[in-house]
Amino acid sequence: ELKVEQNPLFLSMQEGKNYTIYCNYSTTSDRLYWYRQDPGKSLESLFVLLSNGAVKQEGRLMASLDTKARLSTLHITAAVHDLSATYFCAVDEGKSSGDKLTFGTGTRLAVRP
Amino acid sequence: DVKVTQSSRYLVKRTGEKVFLECVQDMDHENMFWYRQDPGLGLRLIYFSYDVKMKEKGDIPEGYSVSREKKERFSLILESASTNQTSMYLCASKTTGFHEQYFGPGTRLTVT
Repeated sequence: ELKVEQNPLFLSMQEGKNYTIYCNYSTTSDRLYWYRQDPGKSLESLFVLLSNGAVKQEGRLMASLDTKARLSTLHITAAVHDLSATYFCAVDEGKSSGDKLTFGTGTRLAVRP
Repeated sequence: DVKVTQSSRYLVKRTGEKVFLECVQDMDHENMFWYRQDPGLGLRLIYFSYDVKMKEKGDIPEGYSVSREKKERFSLILESASTNQTSMYLCASKTTGFHEQYFGPGTRLTVT
């Protein structure tokens, strides 16, 4: 059974600081997705990582994938309040499993002034 | 833009009632999914479908069933609602291949 672990589960950080969220998973996969969820809202796709060494950046967020280590990171640079949300990583088990995703439990990020 | 809609944002039902949650997508996606989201547990897959009239159990199918009679519509059915089914229910769809899932706005179901 695929397990996806995120840490930390909760992150309170000051505006302007940098931090990294980690996503570890337990099986071979080279497809990983990051989503953002604002309170009371649905999930919004942030990044799609499809190969070992993939790196994607959007604004102050950068995501990377190391399939050998079974690890993805979401790096936040110079955090601003607008980044406050819950971030989920999700691992694609592949076509043999019907393209379904297994999600981590999420990292709730609070950016304070 | 991909649009996934769900029939209700909020729903309150009584224990033992039959509950229907509907999801519609407008992008001709082959695959559709139903999740429930609970604090501290993340998203857990209930059922998914990769084609019309096809369905597969996810990780927590007990107490639920699904129906997919048309490609754009995927229904989640709670045959006899129980209080432990109080949750946020999220529908998603995707096309086959290496693509992200697109989520609907969610239905917050309360069973009293």
